[in-house]
Amino acid sequence: DTAVSQTPKYLVTQMGNDKSIKCEQNLGHDTMYWYKQDSKKFLKIMFSYNNKELIINETVPNRFSPKSPDKAHLNLHINSLELGDSAVYFCASSQDLSGGTPFFGPGTRLTVL
Amino acid sequence: AQTVTQSQPEMSVQEAETVTLSCTYDTSESDYYLFWYKQPPSRQMILVIRQEAYKQQNATENRFSVNFQKAAKSFSLKISDSQLGDAAMYFCAYRSALAQGGSEKLVFGKGMKLTVNP
Repeated sequence: DTAVSQTPKYLVTQMGNDKSIKCEQNLGHDTMYWYKQDSKKFLKIMFSYNNKELIINETVPNRFSPKSPDKAHLNLHINSLELGDSAVYFCASSQDLSGGTPFFGPGTRLTVL
Repeated sequence: AQTVTQSQPEMSVQEAETVTLSCTYDTSESDYYLFWYKQPPSRQMILVIRQEAYKQQNATENRFSVNFQKAAKSFSLKISDSQLGDAAMYFCAYRSALAQGGSEKLVFGKGMKLTVNP
């Protein structure tokens, strides 16, 4: 009964490939996010969705495309992977746009070779 | 834009002792939330404690408590009776209470690595 789940947990791929990370939450939350944690452990917002609507796109290259088929799912597709995309990507969800505590998924460690 | 500062990159504590992790933030808003998250080697981001800015009372969760000083924009975390399982990265984070596009994101500090010595 995991609250926020992500697949896969590890992803190793070659430069130039396209890959996707999937996220699902069973908390009934309206808002979902993608955060990126770089090699220095710094966490930064990439995207947020509220009820399937894109709210935040934090100057992320357009090679990254989030998609929310319904409010329980938020997937991240990355085209033409680059070495600098290597990081840990966290999905999170919160009840709504204000006040809810964000809960995080287990993270996906992406390594681009 | 809001910023969160954790000035100590690393700290260590003896098992069973008390340690305090510092965090300061900058905002022009009056209503917001502050969080401490723990990230053990497993990588999972775990909520430790949450504080609402409108509440004067400091939040506590078992061995974890905060010292929230709104005027000073300070939000420190105290861990009492430290345990080996407390060893982790600790992140302080800010979230606006405004329900408007873009404000709901968490703004994180750079994190602090806590080592617990047996």
